[in-house]
Amino acid sequence: EVVLTQSPATLSLSPGERATLSCRASQSVGIFLAWYQQKPGQAPRLLIYDTSNRATGVPARFSGSGSGTDFTLTISSLEPEDFALYYCQQRSDWPPFTFGQGTRLDIK
Amino acid sequence: EVQLVESGGGLVQPGGSLRLSCEVSGFTFSTFWMNWVRQAPGKGLEWVANIKPDGGEKYYVDSVKGRFTISRDNAKKSLYLQMNSLRVEDTAVYYCARDLSAAGNFDFWGHGTLVTVSS
Repeated sequence: EVVLTQSPATLSLSPGERATLSCRASQSVGIFLAWYQQKPGQAPRLLIYDTSNRATGVPARFSGSGSGTDFTLTISSLEPEDFALYYCQQRSDWPPFTFGQGTRLDIK
Repeated sequence: EVQLVESGGGLVQPGGSLRLSCEVSGFTFSTFWMNWVRQAPGKGLEWVANIKPDGGEKYYVDSVKGRFTISRDNAKKSLYLQMNSLRVEDTAVYYCARDLSAAGNFDFWGHGTLVTVSS
């Protein structure tokens, strides 16, 4: 099973700042990594799939990069609605599909 | 508009059974892989199971194999999860999710249904 480790666990930033979230895989997942956003009481929302493809309706300030075992989600300039939980997920080696433990993005 | 609506959650004793349903609308259900993903209270996301569009292939996470069964009725545009021999550790919000790419990109999710396993 592929284990995904996200860092940091919590990131405290201010609106307008740049956010960089990391996800490391226990083995290569190629480009088959996705990012999800989850707000309290809501279902997750797909942001990025296959490393760098934005899902429908996702603002351009969200971007993804990486390959193999190291991946990054970047939010170029934080908006108030971006403060949430973020999960990475791999689909390279399944079953099972696996998720990281999450990064909480807090307002500083 | 794509919609997925789960139902069937509730309180059940350890060892009991529950059947979750997910009714969908706004897309051609019969052409998409579908998934169940769960989230224990205050915890992260865990993929549970998925099923091919024609129902001919099904996959499960090891912790539910032999206890849970995923199924679908394309005529009713509905996805199901039969959960037997429930354990306390199965307590979670269960989401149904559509697979964008037929292999693990979950692009639409329902609001979830809470399953609580407790005596």
